[in-house]
Amino acid sequence: DVKVTQSSRYLVKRTGEKVFLECVQDMDHENMFWYRQDPGLGLRLIYFSYDVKMKEKGDIPEGYSVSREKKERFSLILESASTNQTSMYLCASSLTGAYGYTFGSGTRLTVV
Amino acid sequence: AQSVAQPEDQVNVAEGNPLTVKCTYSVSGNPYLFWYVQYPNRGLQFLLKYITGDNLVKGSYGFEAEFNKSQTSFHLKKPSALVSDSALYFCAVRDNPTGGFKTIFGAGTRLFVKA
Repeated sequence: DVKVTQSSRYLVKRTGEKVFLECVQDMDHENMFWYRQDPGLGLRLIYFSYDVKMKEKGDIPEGYSVSREKKERFSLILESASTNQTSMYLCASSLTGAYGYTFGSGTRLTVV
Repeated sequence: AQSVAQPEDQVNVAEGNPLTVKCTYSVSGNPYLFWYVQYPNRGLQFLLKYITGDNLVKGSYGFEAEFNKSQTSFHLKKPSALVSDSALYFCAVRDNPTGGFKTIFGAGTRLFVKA
């Protein structure tokens, strides 16, 4: 089975800190995604990548950046964390557009 | 622009009864449609998908979904609910081909199955 691993399950950071969320997948998928999940809002796409060093903005990219230096790793960066970025962050990967996503377990980030 | 709506925040059903979780969508091209489930304190798991072909698709854990193009709906169904089906369910749509790999998720429907 495809495995998507997110480095931290829970994270508490201070306002203004630079935060790195790491995601690694082990099945050679081209496509990787970062979503945030908030109650009542579902999942909202932050960034996605369809190849190494390629990235595309999703629906809510403000305050975030990403890095994909290797195919298996897709990092989400909060340049200067703010309290409104407190959320559950979900990483996902997929083989092609016709396939469903495989999600990681999520990182619950609290910014204080 | 593509969008997906789950009109019910919560669905309550008794164990053994049939269940339906509703989903409607809007895309400009041919849709790829998906259902995912999230159990408490777990990540999302893929349940089933519709890409093309038979309008009734079957997925994991006895779930199925019916694609209805005229009503732009993709409702999730199960003939007999189990208490263990209680979870958060997300419908998702990808606009093929113009949407690329971008998938839009609904807000989610929480299913409660009572023993």
